[in-house]
Amino acid sequence: GQQLNQSPQSMFIQEGEDVSMNCTSSSIFNTWLWYKQDPGEGPVLLIALYKAGELTSNGRLTAQFGITRKDSFLNISASIPSDVGIYFCAGPSNFGNEKLTFGTGTRLTIIP
Amino acid sequence: NAGVTQTPKFRVLKTGQSMTLLCAQDMNHEYMYWYRQDPGMGLRLIHYSVGEGTTAKGEVPDGYNVSRLKKQNFLLGLESAAPSQTSVYFCASRRESEAFFGQGTRLTVV
Repeated sequence: GQQLNQSPQSMFIQEGEDVSMNCTSSSIFNTWLWYKQDPGEGPVLLIALYKAGELTSNGRLTAQFGITRKDSFLNISASIPSDVGIYFCAGPSNFGNEKLTFGTGTRLTIIP
Repeated sequence: NAGVTQTPKFRVLKTGQSMTLLCAQDMNHEYMYWYRQDPGMGLRLIHYSVGEGTTAKGEVPDGYNVSRLKKQNFLLGLESAAPSQTSVYFCASRRESEAFFGQGTRLTVV
């Protein structure tokens, strides 16, 4: 089946640091989505990307749709305690775009 | 404004028992999904549905069955639970690119 690999698997950072993570696929995606999961909750959509090369921001978050269409990147600037959680990339992974596949996740922890 | 509601929130089963997880959405979405979440594995798609009366297999469908008799409900069944099915299960419904998730069901099979 479709695989979306995220790296790093986990990150331990100090408050105020910038964060970078990425997601790669073995095949082309036409849409890239980034979700965040708070502890004990379901994931929530952060950013959606629809075109190769697209760069989109949502507050301190910036995501990019890779030009090969096989990868995407998420950056968080000046991290704060509420950024803690698991970040997932996702995308429709079949021809009809019905099948929504998620990545393996990046767990972000902020060290006090 | 309930969104996506999963029941139950927690359950402990003995090996071999059966159970059904219920997902209900009030947003009139056509697409619904069941995922399982395990440490280090991310969210893996079990089954999904593109409309009332339709279902399709995801990446890890073995040991599970689903039904979508009504548009607002998507049921996930375990006929004979196994310890490998211990996981957190999430249901989602989708409008265009955005999926809306329930709060999850934590299932332990002993």
